[in-house]
Amino acid sequence: AQSVTQLGSHVSVSEGALVLLRCNYSSSVPPYLFWYVQYPNQGLQLLLKYTSAATLVKGINGFEAEFKKSETSFHLTKPSAHMSDAAEYFCAVSSQGGSEKLVFGKGTKLTVNP
Amino acid sequence: EAQVTQNPRYLITVTGKKLTVTCSQNMNHEYMSWYRQDPGLGLRQIYYSMNVEVTDKGDVPEGYKVSRKEKRNFPLILESPSPNQTSLYFCASGFPGTGFRGSYGYTFGSGTRLTVV
Repeated sequence: AQSVTQLGSHVSVSEGALVLLRCNYSSSVPPYLFWYVQYPNQGLQLLLKYTSAATLVKGINGFEAEFKKSETSFHLTKPSAHMSDAAEYFCAVSSQGGSEKLVFGKGTKLTVNP
Repeated sequence: EAQVTQNPRYLITVTGKKLTVTCSQNMNHEYMSWYRQDPGLGLRQIYYSMNVEVTDKGDVPEGYKVSRKEKRNFPLILESPSPNQTSLYFCASGFPGTGFRGSYGYTFGSGTRLTVV
């Protein structure tokens, strides 16, 4: 069965600093991996996805993530945080050729300080 | 505009009073799902549907019902709501996980905040 672990339920950075949100997954078959963002009082929006093509994936708003099979990780990064990045971020996994179920991590709330 | 529409956005109800939260998508997606979001627990799947008349339980189905009579609609029914069902609910739709189309991920509705008193 697939599972996702997001390390750190809260992350705080200064504006202009590097953003690093950690995600480790478990899957018995090659996974699809996703990062979603949830702004206050809104639904979830797809940020980026890994689907077995390039291991470094670029998404919207300057975010990117790198798939590392040896580490079973899919960490989300952004070189320079902006105040508008304050939101909750969810990592999710589904399996190619397996269940259509998308399994989510518990989320990481990002705070950006001026 | 491609979207998933949930109604209502906010709902306060009393214990035991049946309610339905509607979900509709206009993208011809085969797969639809309901999640509930609770602080510290992330999103947990309630029910999902692979296609019309095909539904199955997710991780937390107790106290909920669903139906899929048409491809675009997937209502969530609480026959006898209880306070522990107070939560933020999301409907999502997409294509099945196998193959290229499954790589698109899901489209989420804006959420329904339900309070049961």
